[in-house]
Amino acid sequence: EIVLTQSPATLSLSPGERATLSCRASPSAYSYLAWYQQKPGQAPRLLIYDTSNRATGIPARFSGSGSGTDFTLTISSLEPEDFAVYYCQQRANYPLTFGPGTKVDIK
Amino acid sequence: QVHLQESGPGLVKPSETLSLTCTVSGGSMATYYWTWIRQSPGKGLEWIGYIYYSGSTNYNPSLESRVTISIDTSKNQFSLKLTSVTAADTAVYYCARPHSQWLGNDAFDIWGQGTMITVSS
Repeated sequence: EIVLTQSPATLSLSPGERATLSCRASPSAYSYLAWYQQKPGQAPRLLIYDTSNRATGIPARFSGSGSGTDFTLTISSLEPEDFAVYYCQQRANYPLTFGPGTKVDIK
Repeated sequence: QVHLQESGPGLVKPSETLSLTCTVSGGSMATYYWTWIRQSPGKGLEWIGYIYYSGSTNYNPSLESRVTISIDTSKNQFSLKLTSVTAADTAVYYCARPHSQWLGNDAFDIWGQGTMITVSS
């Protein structure tokens, strides 16, 4: 099973700031990593798939990078609606697994 | 636009069987791997397994002995049964569709709203 760890657990930032979220895979997830955003009471929303591909309708301020064991989600300039919890997910091996999440909250 | 909707009992007694159904509207079930995922405070998001429209299945080994996923394409529904539930099975249960056709191991771009299942006597 591929274990995903995310850091930091919480990121406190102000609107307009840049957010950098990390996801580490053990063992390698190759390029098969996705990112989701989740707000309270809602299902996760797919942002990025296969490391760097934005899902339909996702704004360009969201970008993903990395490979193998280290991946990054970057939000270039936080909008008020971006404060949420973010999860990574790997599809390299079964069972599919998710990270524990990073909460981005307002500083 | 495809829409998924979970339905189920909300409360299940310990040792009993949890049964949920996901109704798919706005699209065909063909060529997709229909998936169940759950989310609990203790274990986070957990992939339960999938069923292909043809009926083949794949389950998380951690749940495999207790899980059955079935499909009824004539009703545009797929279902989850989880036997011998305990408090550890208390979670929000989601049905989901992968981003790509013909891929069971994929990211998920369509989710139901989720249904909270509590295991308690």
